[in-house]
Formats: sequence, C-alpha cells, structure tokens
Amino acid sequence: KQEVTQIPAALSVPEGENLVLNCSFTDSAIYNLQWFRQDPGKGLTSLLLIQSSQREQTSGRLNASLDKSSGRSTLYIAASQPGDSATYLCAVMGYQKVTFGTGTKLQVIP
Amino acid sequence: EAGVAQSPRYKIIEKRQSVAFWCNPISGHATLYWYQQILGQGPKLLIQFQNNGVVDDSQLPKDRFSAERLKGVDSTLKIQPAKLEDSAVYLCASSPGGVAYEQYFGPGTRLTVT
Repeated sequence: KQEVTQIPAALSVPEGENLVLNCSFTDSAIYNLQWFRQDPGKGLTSLLLIQSSQREQTSGRLNASLDKSSGRSTLYIAASQPGDSATYLCAVMGYQKVTFGTGTKLQVIP
Repeated sequence: EAGVAQSPRYKIIEKRQSVAFWCNPISGHATLYWYQQILGQGPKLLIQFQNNGVVDDSQLPKDRFSAERLKGVDSTLKIQPAKLEDSAVYLCASSPGGVAYEQYFGPGTRLTVT
C-alpha cells in the first residue's frame, strides 16, 4: 500500500526567503506526481505535474523535482511572498491508485 | 474553459439523514474522481470513474455510500444514512485520461453532520 508523507506539517518563513517542501512515498512504481496548493475553504489548485520519466518541472518561481529511486519529491519556492501562504499537497499516481500526502501548511510573513 | 462544478457548496444534515452531491466535470474529461477530505488531512480517494465505468472504489464505504456517473458525464455521490464521522469536504476532480494525467478539482462541498 502506498504511503505518502509530507514534512514538515507546518512552516513559517519571512517574505523573500527561498524554501523547500518535501514529499516522500514508499512505492516507487508510479506514473506521475502532482503538487497542489489549497487555500482555506477552497478546492485544490494544480501547481506542477511531473511524469515518472522526468526529473523536474518548473513554473515561474516554483520548481519540483522527482527522484523515484529514493521515493522523494521536493517543491522549491523561490522568493516567497505572502500570497504563497496556503497548504501544499503532493499526490502520487500509481497503477490506478491516487494517494495524497497530508500536506504542509505554509505561512509567509510580510 | 469552464472548470469542475460542484453543488451544493455547503450542507448541514442530521445523522441518519440522506444527502447527495453533484459534480459536472470539465467537458471532454473521461476520468472523474470523488475524494473525501477530513479537516487537517489530505484527500482520500473514494471512487474513480473512467467514462461511466468504475475503475477503483476500494475505499468507498459501500454500506452507506453510492456513486454513479450518468452517460459518462455528470456524477452524483450519495450518503445514506449519514454518520457524524462523514463530516468532511467532498471534492470532485476530473482529468482527460487516467491517473497519468493532471487532475483538476472543483471547489468542494462541505458537509456537516450533527
């Protein structure tokens, strides 16, 4: 059974800082991994999708990496802004199975 | 392009009552997912449809939950009878194909069971 862990559960950083969010998974037989953000009371917004054959994906200030062999993905946020404050979730897509982590709640302090 | 639509946005019911949620996926998306998200946790997949067939419902409590996808488009999720522990946000998502494709989420329905 796939297990997905996100550490830390919560993170508070000053504005402008670069930061890394972690996602670990136990079964490396995956199709892809997707990062989402969730604002309070809202649905999930897709940030980046990394296919299993890829090592990383970039979108603006966001960069996500994937290391299947070690069961890890990281989401790098450059020059953080107060608008980045949200919960960040990773989802691992295995064979017909989707497993989410519990998320990292990020607060960026002005 | 219109996003995933869900209704209602909020619902409050008493335990043992019934409730139904509706989802309209992005046009042309073959795969539809229903998730349950309990406060403070990540979403848990309840059921996955490919067109109007069920791909995975292994985590759906079938004694009280049911779901259908009419003509491979809209979907409804029903709970009958509801329990206190069903209080959660129910999220619907769609994707163009199976799990290899990006998922797009609706705003969710917040259910409170009293």
